[in-house]
Amino acid sequence: EAGVVQSPRYKIIEKKQPVAFWCNPISGHNTLYWYLQNLGQGPELLIRYENEEAVDDSQLPKDRFSAERLKGVDSTLKIQPAELGDSAVYLCASSRTGRGSPLHFGNGTRLTVT
Amino acid sequence: EDKVVQSPLSLVVHEGDTVTLNCSYEVTNFRSLLWYKQEKKAPTFLFMLTSSGIEKKSGRLSSILDKKELFSILNITATQTGDSAVYLCAVESLTRDTGNQFYFGTGTSLTVIP
Repeated sequence: EAGVVQSPRYKIIEKKQPVAFWCNPISGHNTLYWYLQNLGQGPELLIRYENEEAVDDSQLPKDRFSAERLKGVDSTLKIQPAELGDSAVYLCASSRTGRGSPLHFGNGTRLTVT
Repeated sequence: EDKVVQSPLSLVVHEGDTVTLNCSYEVTNFRSLLWYKQEKKAPTFLFMLTSSGIEKKSGRLSSILDKKELFSILNITATQTGDSAVYLCAVESLTRDTGNQFYFGTGTSLTVIP
């Protein structure tokens, strides 16, 4: 099966600019996650979707971050405006809803804010 | 507060050595513990453990879970330079209200010297 696909792989922007990341999960995976990973740290959850519904967005900085998963498949994560501290790797993952399904990750988007 | 702690943070060994990586956790509504290998891109899935005392094995890698003492170990025998990576431990929590949540440790960085 095809894996989780993310784009772009790398993005360099100036602070205060907007940026968007795209994710296409594995076919049939209802649950989609966006994680942020800083250097030397484990992934930290930003938002989790069950189909179209954002069921956990408690860690998403809503003043500048937004996400959508309109048809329950692809998802977009946006930052507007970006700050220097947003430089990190943004990972998308998907899994089958329910028990016994591990997370499968995309290759991530490495964001550098200058 | 749910947490996952990995040790050591980093490890340097010579090819052929055997290494043991540790993961301890305090997570409510435990469902499973997962190990991932992360090189320069996406974490790739290694093992999912749900039952105590049952070893999972894949080639030179093996892992076991102790649900009483709340920890897991990942063993790698006859290490090779290709084993150099960050190894992430994640614990899955499953509740009716919040669904599947995954808590990650900070990872163990393994370097295998030729």
